[in-house]
Amino acid sequence: SQQGEEDPQALSIQEGENATMNCSYKTSINNLQWYRQNSGRGLVHLILIRSNEREKHSGRLRVTLDTSKKSSSLLITASRAADTASYFCATDGYDKIIFGKGTRLHILP
Amino acid sequence: NAGVTQTPKFQVLKTGQSMTLQCAQDMNHNSMYWYRQDPGMGLRLIYYSASEGTTDKGEVPNGYNVSRLNKREFSLRLESAAPSQTSVYFCASREAGDRETQYFGPGTRLLVL
Repeated sequence: SQQGEEDPQALSIQEGENATMNCSYKTSINNLQWYRQNSGRGLVHLILIRSNEREKHSGRLRVTLDTSKKSSSLLITASRAADTASYFCATDGYDKIIFGKGTRLHILP
Repeated sequence: NAGVTQTPKFQVLKTGQSMTLQCAQDMNHNSMYWYRQDPGMGLRLIYYSASEGTTDKGEVPNGYNVSRLNKREFSLRLESAAPSQTSVYFCASREAGDRETQYFGPGTRLLVL
């Protein structure tokens, strides 16, 4: 079964608003990663947070990790139309990376 | 530097036919992966190769075989295709180590009739 589970499954917000997506996982991890996928394309890596980190920033992205709750969140601030995509969390446990089912984000004009 | 390349981009098979999906990376990465993605689903790991000469099963290995031909290439074979294998297949690679990100190919769309 898949390791990560994103919530919500789908999210629609107005351009300029902030978008928050959550990810829960089941077992111990070395790191957690977030990826973006535009329709019909491959995945693009966004940000990686290590198991000993609690928060990380990259541009308009902010990721948190709570290993005690086995959960992570991805915040996209000041959303843009180009942020419309599916977002996946992926848990990394040594050799392999396991993906969740993703959150479909739609930015409304 | 092409990154991760996959061939073919699109393929139609009849049930029972066989085919091999090719993947190559030019980043000198040690680890390579094959995933499948079905509508509304995330990526599910089929097989992976942590280093040249090794392969291991992922979440959904049944019906597939893999070959790590050399450090650059990692192929996925369907011996007898089934409609349930209709999917988009992604290859990925990364440098060894659990703090490295994966780089993905553009995907192969496979339709099994």
